[in-house]
Amino acid sequence: ETGVTQTPRHLVMGMTNKKSLKCEQHLGHNAMYWYKQSAKKPLELMFVYNFKEQTENNSVPSRFSPECPNSSHLFLHLHTLQPEDSALYLCASSQAGTSGTDTQYFGPGTRLTVL
Amino acid sequence: EDQVTQSPEALRLQEGESSSLNCSYTVSGLRGLFWYRQDPGKGPEFLFTLYSAGEEKEKERLKATLTKKESFLHITAPKPEDSATYLCAGGRDNYGQNFVFGPGTRLSVLP
Repeated sequence: ETGVTQTPRHLVMGMTNKKSLKCEQHLGHNAMYWYKQSAKKPLELMFVYNFKEQTENNSVPSRFSPECPNSSHLFLHLHTLQPEDSALYLCASSQAGTSGTDTQYFGPGTRLTVL
Repeated sequence: EDQVTQSPEALRLQEGESSSLNCSYTVSGLRGLFWYRQDPGKGPEFLFTLYSAGEEKEKERLKATLTKKESFLHITAPKPEDSATYLCAGGRDNYGQNFVFGPGTRLSVLP
């Protein structure tokens, strides 16, 4: 595997389900990100982890719970979601999460549908 | 408040018809201006980073330029496979949200 991978690519869940999204980066980076992309809206940053430490929680509802066990893996745990949470969830990584010069590299995304 | 805007929102071109996409930014302490290409249902793919006004970078039919207020993505003789949404982002040093993304320009190139 190369770059940033995400699983699953598609997920359909009910409002009472619990599921998790997984992201893995093979670039040797130290920062990882979760973004939400809804139709016709800019990318919304959700969480940032630098060296496994969470450095940004962009007022995300508690039904989204991130986990970063090491610099290569990032999870997004989902529970009791709402239909408006349906979106494309993107994971990204960069060399350092505090620098404005470091390129962020994105995974292919998980298309989430909440029924 | 730091902000990035893009225009036009959507652009339709005939194959071979050159044009430019605009990215205007008000990002204090801008450290880099990034361009990405995004195909439907996929993650953004990195294209260019520009670090200082006057800088230009090229890749195939694409050329990105940067001034102190805006960046342009010039597309020369586009092909249908250039159809995608093009995103720009301003990079800043921040212990958290270090990228400010624009809403994107949706480009369609018709054969």
